Amino acid sequence: AQSVTQLGSHVSVSEGALVLLRCNYSSSVPPYLFWYVQYPNQGLQLLLKYTTGATLVKGINGFEAEFKKSETSFHLTKPSAHMSDAAEYFCAVSDPPGNTGKLIFGQGTTLQVKP
Amino acid sequence: SAVISQKPSRDICQRGTSLTIQCQVDSQVTMMFWYRQQPGQSLTLIATANQGSEATYESGFVIDKFPISRPNLTFSTLTVSNMSPEDSSIYLCSAEVSYNEQFFGPGTRLTVL
Repeated sequence: AQSVTQLGSHVSVSEGALVLLRCNYSSSVPPYLFWYVQYPNQGLQLLLKYTTGATLVKGINGFEAEFKKSETSFHLTKPSAHMSDAAEYFCAVSDPPGNTGKLIFGQGTTLQVKP
Repeated sequence: SAVISQKPSRDICQRGTSLTIQCQVDSQVTMMFWYRQQPGQSLTLIATANQGSEATYESGFVIDKFPISRPNLTFSTLTVSNMSPEDSSIYLCSAEVSYNEQFFGPGTRLTVL
């Protein structure tokens, strides 16, 4: 069965500092991996996804993530945090092609950005 | 991409009643999903709703409690039946627009008294 673990339920950074949100996955087959962001009182917005090919994936709002198979990781980074980045971030893994398309979510990480 | 809307956006309901949540997609999609997000928690998949077939429920969720309809390729409903305070959650629908890329609605915030 697939699973996702997000290390750190709460991360606090200063504005302009590096953002690093950690995600490790478990999957018996090559996974599809996703990062979603949820702003207060809103639904989820897709930041980026990895399916196949290049392991460094760039997303919206300056975020990127690198798929590292040897480490079973898909950490999310942004070089310089902005106040507007404060939100809840979810890492997710999905079934491989030809299966159900279900998303399995991690527990989420709350990002706080201090001025 | 896709634009997904949900109705109602929030509701406060009495114990023992039922609430039907509507989800509308601005394009035709094959797969739609319903999730529950309990306060301060992550998302848990309730069921997958495919047009023309019965919904597929995840472990711990049953059709009698969460009946789902999927009458066409742009619309689905989720009913939360015989509600109790433990059903207080955010309920989100999503649609798979391209393979494994799901777009989410804004959610329905349900409080059961």
